[in-house]
Amino acid sequence: KQEVTQIPAALSVPEGENLVLNCSFTDSAIYNLQWFRQDPGKGLTSLLLIQSSQREQTSGRLNASLDKSSGRSTLYIAASQPGDSATYLCAPRRNTPLVFGKGTRLSVIA
Amino acid sequence: GAVVSQHPSWVICKSGTSVKIECRSLDFQATTMFWYRQFPKQSLMLMATSNEGSKATYEQGVEKDKFLINHASLTLSTLTVTSAHPEDSSFYICSASIGASSGEQYFGPGTRLTVT
Repeated sequence: KQEVTQIPAALSVPEGENLVLNCSFTDSAIYNLQWFRQDPGKGLTSLLLIQSSQREQTSGRLNASLDKSSGRSTLYIAASQPGDSATYLCAPRRNTPLVFGKGTRLSVIA
Repeated sequence: GAVVSQHPSWVICKSGTSVKIECRSLDFQATTMFWYRQFPKQSLMLMATSNEGSKATYEQGVEKDKFLINHASLTLSTLTVTSAHPEDSSFYICSASIGASSGEQYFGPGTRLTVT
């Protein structure tokens, strides 16, 4: 059974910093991995989807990398802004529904 | 992009009553829909997987007689919480997948259920 771990659980940084959020998963036989953002009391916003054949994906200030063989993914956030404050979830997928980690709660302080 | 809606966005009900939550794929046909539950500051936990026209598959520990799932069409799945109790209060999120098991899942905005 897939298990997902996200480190750190919480992070508070001043505005402008570059950030690294880590995700590890136990079953590396995945088809893809998604990173999501969740604001308090809200649903999920998909940020990036990386297929298993890809090493990374970029969208604006976000860059996600995937090392499938070692069961790791990393989300880089460049030049963080207060609007980036949210919980970030990673979710690997095989031929089953997405399995989520507990997320990293990010606070960017102006 | 693919859009998934949920209705209602929030609901308050009395203990012992039943509540129905709808999940719709607005601009695509979803052969598979998923229902998740999320308690405060916890991750999303999969409750069940539903395929159009067939019975839902429930995860271990989820009572199928309490959480009734119907996926009657390619654009609509419903979750009915029967005889709700305060411990059922949670955030319920559905998602939909277009087809292949490796395809992207699109998530609804969630429904906040409070049972008093």
